[in-house]
Amino acid sequence: IVLTQSPGTLSLSPGERATLSCRASQSITSNYLAWYQQKPGQAPRLLIYGASSRATGIPDTFSGSGSGTDFTLTINRLEPEDFAVYYCQQYGGSPQMHTFGQGTELEIK
Amino acid sequence: EMQLLESGGNLVQPGGSLRLSCAASGFTFSSYSMSWVRQAPGKGLEWVSSIGNRETFYADSVKGRFTISRDNSKNTMYLQMNSLRAEDTAIYYCAKDGVSGNRVWDYFDCWGLGTPVTVSS
Repeated sequence: IVLTQSPGTLSLSPGERATLSCRASQSITSNYLAWYQQKPGQAPRLLIYGASSRATGIPDTFSGSGSGTDFTLTINRLEPEDFAVYYCQQYGGSPQMHTFGQGTELEIK
Repeated sequence: EMQLLESGGNLVQPGGSLRLSCAASGFTFSSYSMSWVRQAPGKGLEWVSSIGNRETFYADSVKGRFTISRDNSKNTMYLQMNSLRAEDTAIYYCAKDGVSGNRVWDYFDCWGLGTPVTVSS
């Protein structure tokens, strides 16, 4: 499965809403799709799993949606600390590998 | 608090070997599958290998060269890397599955800080 994220770079201002897309080359089993945030020099942090379930400690300004081949991460009311790179990932074992998208950089406009 | 701490990264010549370690704490290590994920300089995330109870899985790019293992008595996972190539240069992260039961194919809910591997002459 190939995951294609768009856009490659998204320029927005604090307070705005960000919409990030992740499209799979084939349908993802049981919506086994996760989203991660990575800031420079830091490890990735889990945001969303199962396409729409927020991980522990993740604020409700982050939400995930979608099914099949099209998934979206929405970040409402952007805070300065939200500007980072975001990756989607398919898991679930079909095929037997983990696949990441190439990432979307969310930058301050 | 769950924690993962990688070590063993270094500068190594092409064709050389290196062994990475990942020390875990704050959770029942034996109950979770573990993985290695790497990130080349300025690039995205690439899955390398995963281990369940005993079953192991590898990305095609490292199959036959890398070996993943774990010692539950030491709460530690390892990655033996042989026949290293320049394209193996990356930060190597260890990551923990988010669901217990050693299912292997789950999202990652805890990541270490990473250890850098540079393959260069």
